[in-house]
Formats: sequence, C-alpha cells, structure tokens
Amino acid sequence: GQSLEQPSEVTAVEGAIVQINCTYQTSGFYGLSWYQQHDGGAPTFLSYNALDGLEETGRFSSFLSRSDSYGYLLLQELQMKDSASYFCAVRVRGSQGNLIFGKGTKLSVKP
Amino acid sequence: KAGVTQTPRYLIKTRGQQVTLSCSPISGHRSVSWYQQTPGQGLQFLFEYFSETQRNKGNFPGRFSGRQFSNSRSEMNVSTLELGDSALYLCASSAEGAAGELFFGEGSRLTVL
Repeated sequence: GQSLEQPSEVTAVEGAIVQINCTYQTSGFYGLSWYQQHDGGAPTFLSYNALDGLEETGRFSSFLSRSDSYGYLLLQELQMKDSASYFCAVRVRGSQGNLIFGKGTKLSVKP
Repeated sequence: KAGVTQTPRYLIKTRGQQVTLSCSPISGHRSVSWYQQTPGQGLQFLFEYFSETQRNKGNFPGRFSGRQFSNSRSEMNVSTLELGDSALYLCASSAEGAAGELFFGEGSRLTVL
C-alpha cells in the first residue's frame, strides 16, 4: 500500500519555530510537496523537493531525505496566520497531477 | 491571472441522484486533477486529465467519471449518489513541467441527504 504519516496536531507560540515531519511509503517517488490549507479554504502550494536537501522559501523551509523516505516542513517566526492544516504529498508517477496526500497536520499558533 | 474556478460552490442532493461539477483551470494549464476531501479519508485523488485524455485514475468506483474539453475546462460526474459521497470536491490545475505544484480551486461542497 501507499501511505504518508504526519502528526495530526501541533501547537506552538507566536515567534517560535515548528517542524512538521512526514514519512512516506509509496511505490514510486518523484518528489515531496507541502500544502497549506486554512479552514474553509483551498490547499495552497508551499514547496516541492525532488532531491535530497533543504529548500528555503522565506519563513518556510522543506527538507527531503530519499534514503530515509522522510521529509519535513520547517516554519520559522510563527505568526497567527500560520494556523492552518499542512499536508505533505508524494508525486508517485510522472504525471504531476496525481499526488498522494498525508492526512494533514493541524497547526495552532497561540499568542 | 484568474485562479482555478469551480462551480457550484455548494450543493445538496439526495441519494440516488447524480451531480456534475465544473472546473475552469488557470489559463494555459492543460492538466486538471480532481480530489475528494473528507474529514476521515483526507485528500484522495480521483483522476487527472491532460489534453482531453484521462491520464490517471484513482481508486474510486465507476460512478465517478470525468471529462475534459478542448479549452481544458473539466467536469466530473457522480451518479447514483450515496451518503458517503458527501465531501469537498477539489479541482487542481498545473502547468506542464511545473514539478509538484498544483493550483487548487475553492472546491464544490456536496452534501448528500
């Protein structure tokens, strides 16, 4: 089977750093994506890692280790608006529209 | 540039009925994918279309079908609705070669009574 595991909930305070882990077990792997979804909103793309290493985009960074089937999303200088659900997703085939999503991590940022 | 547009945003149907959902991708995007989102199962891939051809299909029964038109707009249809089909149906478009980046619409929230 294909599965992605990520924590269901994480709580942190404003200004802090939080790391959301994702481990995957899939048949085929082309890359790992991260999406953010606010309640009632559409998922929005945050990052994509196809190769091992760290990708940085502003306050957000994403890491991938293909040998460990593991990745994480790092959010720095947390803001209240970062409260949302975060999904990791694996592209398992060449076609880019077919992603397998994790169940999501609900991040709550407290003042 | 306009985003992905889905219609209708909300709809209520009864068991046994059928429903058609529509998606207009971002201009220039030829790949359109559909996902079902529920609290229990999360986001699950339904199917992907590219240039009017179904490129991939998820593990859903044949009651779920879709198509894509020459202008890249896409529709999905669910026939013989069941209570368990109540969900948020999300459409996403992507540019060819845009690795891992999908642009999602706001979704169509279907309630089956």
